[in-house]
Amino acid sequence: EAGVVQSPRYKIIEKKQPVAFWCNPISGHNTLYWYRQNLGQGPELLIRYENEEAVDDSQLPKDRFSAERLKGVDSTLKIQPAELGDSAVYLCASSPDRANPNGYTFGSGTRLTVV
Amino acid sequence: GQSLEQPSEVTAVEGAIVQINCTYQTSGFYGLSWYQQHDGGAPTFLSYNALDGLEETGRFSSFLSRSDSYGYLLLQELQMKDSASYFCASFTGGGNKLTFGTGTQLKVEL
Repeated sequence: EAGVVQSPRYKIIEKKQPVAFWCNPISGHNTLYWYRQNLGQGPELLIRYENEEAVDDSQLPKDRFSAERLKGVDSTLKIQPAELGDSAVYLCASSPDRANPNGYTFGSGTRLTVV
Repeated sequence: GQSLEQPSEVTAVEGAIVQINCTYQTSGFYGLSWYQQHDGGAPTFLSYNALDGLEETGRFSSFLSRSDSYGYLLLQELQMKDSASYFCASFTGGGNKLTFGTGTQLKVEL
């Protein structure tokens, strides 16, 4: 079974440029999460989807960040415009059952560097 | 708010036993998870404790005391490949999300 697939693996952009990250969750996993992990810290939740509905986006900086999950499968996270402080690893995770954290599976992330 | 505290770094020798502690302050607490993350890799699930007590999975064990808001991860027979960052994370059912601690970097030496 394929895991959570993210692309690109690395991205370097200049500040004020847009950037997008893509995530393909594990087949059958209805719940999808985007996390941001700063260097030396734990992941922080940005947004959670149940199927195609964003049910928790309270931590998403909505002035520059947006996300979508069309058809309740793949998801994209976009930043426009990017700032220097956005440099981090962006992790996608999925789970089959939102009531049980045992099935939480993370992708390898996209490492974003804003210069 | 939610907060979880862990030691920032632990060093141990190969073959030894090491314990990584985690204290938490969370509302709507359901349970405590542990994740391992190698440099540049994905966090991988190790264990989940919903009830008080010790859960054992091979060389790794995890403990939870809800009354003390405390848990730990115990790693036995340490191997070099265990060198990684370890995160405790509280699972809050109301929001169905994991809130992670700042992580403990474990260094295993010969």
